[in-house]
Amino acid sequence: DAGITQSPRHKVTETGTPVTLRCHQTENHRYMYWYRQDPGHGLRLIHYSYGVKDTDKGEVSDGYSVSRSKTEDFLLTLESATSSQTSVYFCAIGTGVPAGNTIYFGEGSWLTVV
Amino acid sequence: QQQVKQSPQSLIVQKGGIPIINCAYENTAFDYFPWYQQFPGKGPALLIAIRPDVSEKKEGRFTISFNKSAKQFSLHIMDSQPGDSATYFCAAKRRQGGSEKLVFGKGTKLTVNP
Repeated sequence: DAGITQSPRHKVTETGTPVTLRCHQTENHRYMYWYRQDPGHGLRLIHYSYGVKDTDKGEVSDGYSVSRSKTEDFLLTLESATSSQTSVYFCAIGTGVPAGNTIYFGEGSWLTVV
Repeated sequence: QQQVKQSPQSLIVQKGGIPIINCAYENTAFDYFPWYQQFPGKGPALLIAIRPDVSEKKEGRFTISFNKSAKQFSLHIMDSQPGDSATYFCAAKRRQGGSEKLVFGKGTKLTVNP
C-alpha cells in the first residue's frame, strides 16, 4: 500500500460538464502523475508534478489541466468533458532518488462521459 | 512514436509453463526498467525492476533479462500458476529536466490455464 487514495472511484458525467479527480498521498513524495488507461493504448501520461505548483504536460494533455497546491494532493480537471475522455484514470506517486525511483499506482478512477 | 514496444499482445500457457514477455526501447537515456502486474479492476502493481548495469534480476519466480546492447529486456515467469493470469506492462523511466517520467508498453494479457 503506497498510501494513494483516488476519488471519486467511479463517476458518470455528461458531455460538456467539468470534472475533477483527486489524488491524495500520505507519504509526502515529491513526484505525482496522472495516467489514463485505454484498451490498445496501455498507460499514457497526462500530466505530472515534481513539486508544489510545479507541473508539466505529458503525452496526452489536451483537454486536461492539473493543480498541486499541497504536497499531498494532485487534482486532474477535465474542463469540458468529452466522450473521448471516457477512460480509467490512475494517479501515481514517485519515490524519487535516493529512495529507489519507484513509481506506485493508485486503484484508479473509472470515468464515463455520456 | 511508441517509445517502448511490448510483445506479444496476449499469451496463453499451461500451468507450470514459462511465459516470456519481451520489450524493446530506443532511447538510451532510460535508466530504470520496471515491470507492472495488473489484475482486472485494480491499479498496476510494481512486480520487479532492473537497472541497465545489470543483465539479470530474479525475485521469486519472476526474472528480468536485460540486453543493453540490443536495447531489449524481457520478463520470464517460472512455474507459472493460474493466479499469475493478469496483464503485464513493461516500462522505462528517464529523468527529463527536473522530473522523472515513466513510459509504458501496451501490455500483455497472460492467461495461465490450470
